[in-house]
Amino acid sequence: QVQLVESGGGVVQPGRSLRLSCAASGINFHDYGMHWVRLAPGKGLEWVAVISHDGTGKYYIDSVKGRFTISRDNSKTTVYLQMNNLRTEDTAVYYCAGRVGPMSAHIEYWGQGTLVTVSS
Amino acid sequence: QSVLRQPPSASGTPGQRVTISCSGGTSNIESQHVYWYRHLPGTAPKLLIFLNDRRPSGVPDRFSGSKSGTSASLAISGLRSEDESTYYCATWDDKLNGPVFGGGTKLTVL
Repeated sequence: QVQLVESGGGVVQPGRSLRLSCAASGINFHDYGMHWVRLAPGKGLEWVAVISHDGTGKYYIDSVKGRFTISRDNSKTTVYLQMNNLRTEDTAVYYCAGRVGPMSAHIEYWGQGTLVTVSS
Repeated sequence: QSVLRQPPSASGTPGQRVTISCSGGTSNIESQHVYWYRHLPGTAPKLLIFLNDRRPSGVPDRFSGSKSGTSASLAISGLRSEDESTYYCATWDDKLNGPVFGGGTKLTVL
C-alpha cells in the first residue's frame, strides 16, 4: 500500500536550520507531484511548497521564499524540505503529500506528519 | 488571511444537512477546480471531493460538492457525530501560481 513517511522534525532555535525528509513507497514516485503542507497551532492548513514530478517546477508560499527549499531524489523516492533561518511562526506539524500528475490542489496521499518546534 | 474565505464554524444536529461555503475570485475558484478536505489534528487530512463535485471511492454519498462562479460549497447530509472535524476548501490560484486552502470550517455536531 501507499506510504509517505516523514522524518527530521524536532526542536530547533530561531535562526537555525532543519531538513525534513519524506520517503515514499507503493507509488511510481517519478510520476507524482509532491507537497509539503503545515498546520500551525491555532491555525488552518497551509501549503508550504510543491514540486513537480520531475523537479523542474516549484512553488513556495511567500512567507518561506528564500528560506525553504523543496527538492526530490527520484532514485531514492524521497522528497525533502530544507528549512533555513527558521522563525517561531514556522512551528507546525509538517505533512508530506502527493498525487500523480501536474502540480495542483489535488492531493491523494498524505503522510502522518512530523512536528517542528522553533523555540529559544 | 486566505484568498479563499470560509466561515470559521458550523454546526448541526444528527440527521441534519449542513452546508459549508467557500468564497473566492476569478483567479481561483471561477477558473479552477475545487477540492474539499477533512482534517482532525493528529491525523492525516483526507480528500472528500475533487474536481468540484466528484467523490473518491470510499467517501459516502452524504458528502457532495458544488461550484458556481466564484463560490463553492460542501454539503453534508444525514449528519453524524463522526463528521465533527475541520473542513477545508482548496484550489489553484492563477495569480499566486500555486495551490491555496481556505481558512477552514470547524463543524460541530450538537
